[in-house]
Amino acid sequence: DTGVSQDPRHKITKRGQNVTFRCDPISEHNRLYWYRQTLGQGPEFLTYFQNEAQLEKSRLLSDRFSAERPKGSFSTLEIQRTEQGDSAMYLCASRPGTGSFYGYTFGSGTRLTVV
Amino acid sequence: DQQVKQNSPSLSVQEGRISILNCDYTNSMFDYFLWYKKYPAEGPTFLISISSIKDKNEDGRFTVFLNKSAKHLSLHIVPSQPGDSAVYFCALGAQKLVFGQGTRLTINP
Repeated sequence: DTGVSQDPRHKITKRGQNVTFRCDPISEHNRLYWYRQTLGQGPEFLTYFQNEAQLEKSRLLSDRFSAERPKGSFSTLEIQRTEQGDSAMYLCASRPGTGSFYGYTFGSGTRLTVV
Repeated sequence: DQQVKQNSPSLSVQEGRISILNCDYTNSMFDYFLWYKKYPAEGPTFLISISSIKDKNEDGRFTVFLNKSAKHLSLHIVPSQPGDSAVYFCALGAQKLVFGQGTRLTINP
């Protein structure tokens, strides 16, 4: 297991199109997180899962955003009707479900550009 | 409502000297305090952490200090090396991590 994997690395889309990103966490990690990072800012929390249950969603996650984690393994983040303001780096992270944040590991991210 | 603030967007330090990065927070609910390092086009990489029951943690050239009464966290890097040039984020954890805005550290030869 080589860590958290995200696909694609880069996505350019036209405004109004739908996009979907995939995250494969470290296999023994049952918690999975999505963050968004814009230029000059730190990562901002979007949502997280414990196994297949989505336990928390940020108010940043408008109704155009949806995230799933079927069977508690990989996760997908879909953005419908993309807007230019959605342009950002989308980061996925995973960690073991108990204990400290030791082992909280990020993927390399998906860079989304909406034109 | 910015819960975690890194007030210095950038810091330039000479190679071999000490780098000190600072982070202030407003909410006492956090249990864990972490520092991440980020290179361009990569995800953040874990550097060092400290729990709320401690005030200092060392790992090689990196030391993290926590002052809970002042709600202040700092990272000391000594001696600084050119490979330390990156963006550093403090991140505070309860159920999830809340990040500061980052400080771009540049180590000059």
